[in-house]
Amino acid sequence: GPKVLQIPSHQIIDMGQMVTLNCDPVSNHLYFYWYKQILGQQMEFLVNFYNGKVMEKSKLFKDQFSVERPDGSYFTLKIQPTALEDSAVYFCASSTSQNTLYFGAGTRLSVL
Amino acid sequence: GQQVQQSPASLVLQEGENAELQCNFSTSLNSMQWFYQRPGGSLVSLFYNPSGTKHSGRLTSTTVIKERRSSLHISSSQTTDSGTYLCALEPGYQNFYFGKGTSLTVIP
Repeated sequence: GPKVLQIPSHQIIDMGQMVTLNCDPVSNHLYFYWYKQILGQQMEFLVNFYNGKVMEKSKLFKDQFSVERPDGSYFTLKIQPTALEDSAVYFCASSTSQNTLYFGAGTRLSVL
Repeated sequence: GQQVQQSPASLVLQEGENAELQCNFSTSLNSMQWFYQRPGGSLVSLFYNPSGTKHSGRLTSTTVIKERRSSLHISSSQTTDSGTYLCALEPGYQNFYFGKGTSLTVIP
């Protein structure tokens, strides 16, 4: 079936540094999402993105977060600067207008 | 508040038994989706089910919009069904909110 690829699978970073999480969505999909899941806890919506713009973001999407997809390349989530509470698994998802979400395998971010 | 309530929070079954997982929504829904989250964390879409009943092998999903609920039925459970089952609500357009999940353990 359709696949969303996330790179890297695991990222370890020192608090205060910048990190960029990369997502390669399904090729014909138009809507892109980031979700955050702390180990053993609920999947939390961060942001969705369509036609080059953020459509909706949650209160978890802090000012230190940003997303973009320059020229059809990776859909990225950038955190600058990182904080300890940013440690989590970040899942990327994509969909067509028919709404079925397809998820990547996640990037485990560890902020030390 | 919590828009999506899942029950039970956890469930232990003997292999071969059936399971019924529930998802209730506090807001009206445009659509909803059921996912299986593997112990390693990746998610697999089981059903995109805005209304009515859908079948896939041993799985059946039923969504009743006016009652703001959806159920996932697993028949003849197997040990490989163990994991977390998540439901996600789409209240508006192109945005999904997740419940806390049902952790299923099937023992041989």
